[in-house]
Amino acid sequence: NAGVTQTPKFQVLKTGQSMTLQCAQDMNHNSMYWYRQDPGMGLRLIYYSASEGTTDKGEVPNGYNVSRLNKREFSLRLESAAPSQTSVYFCAIKAGAADTQYFGPGTRLTVL
Amino acid sequence: GENVEQHPSTLSVQEGDSAVIKCTYSDSASNYFPWYKQELGKGPQLIIDIRSNVGEKKDQRIAVTLNKTAKHFSLHITETQPEDSAVYFCAASQNFGNEKLTFGTGTRLTIIP
Repeated sequence: NAGVTQTPKFQVLKTGQSMTLQCAQDMNHNSMYWYRQDPGMGLRLIYYSASEGTTDKGEVPNGYNVSRLNKREFSLRLESAAPSQTSVYFCAIKAGAADTQYFGPGTRLTVL
Repeated sequence: GENVEQHPSTLSVQEGDSAVIKCTYSDSASNYFPWYKQELGKGPQLIIDIRSNVGEKKDQRIAVTLNKTAKHFSLHITETQPEDSAVYFCAASQNFGNEKLTFGTGTRLTIIP
């Protein structure tokens, strides 16, 4: 998975609970991304970070916050989880000269 | 914004036959088109990509073609093998400054032994 690690692998939450999904890279790349994957909808960008200390909204940012405190880590936070946030979440990095993105193994989140 | 449509959503082919997956995009400024393969329980993995200054690119049994005028690109897999069974995603983006990839909705490819 191109040096991208995600924790946890699985998580079950109750509606209203909060949690943070962690992503870390070991390749010193600037750009990092958070996607969610739902059946029949492909991958949709939640937030991305072009460099340490900067973040920007993607296609579906509502209900999420992110933090890029250092170059290596990019976290995704759900402040008050909702059943609609049940999904598989992928972190990705951009490596190389162009928009080549490499994905982590994913976190499967269920909100009851 | 960019919109990427992918067809078919499911595809079954006999082992040894060829498989073709097609995508269309809406933004004529898009100039980078990667293809990803996702196996069950894993993250998507880049298998091939093409830029708009090239019409075709091949890597062993996999090829991608791009028609900029029609705004569509296709993935071709020849001599399919059971390990080709997976979900395939196309994507599009504008290179040089635009950080965002827009993905198609995926094609589930099943190779029948």
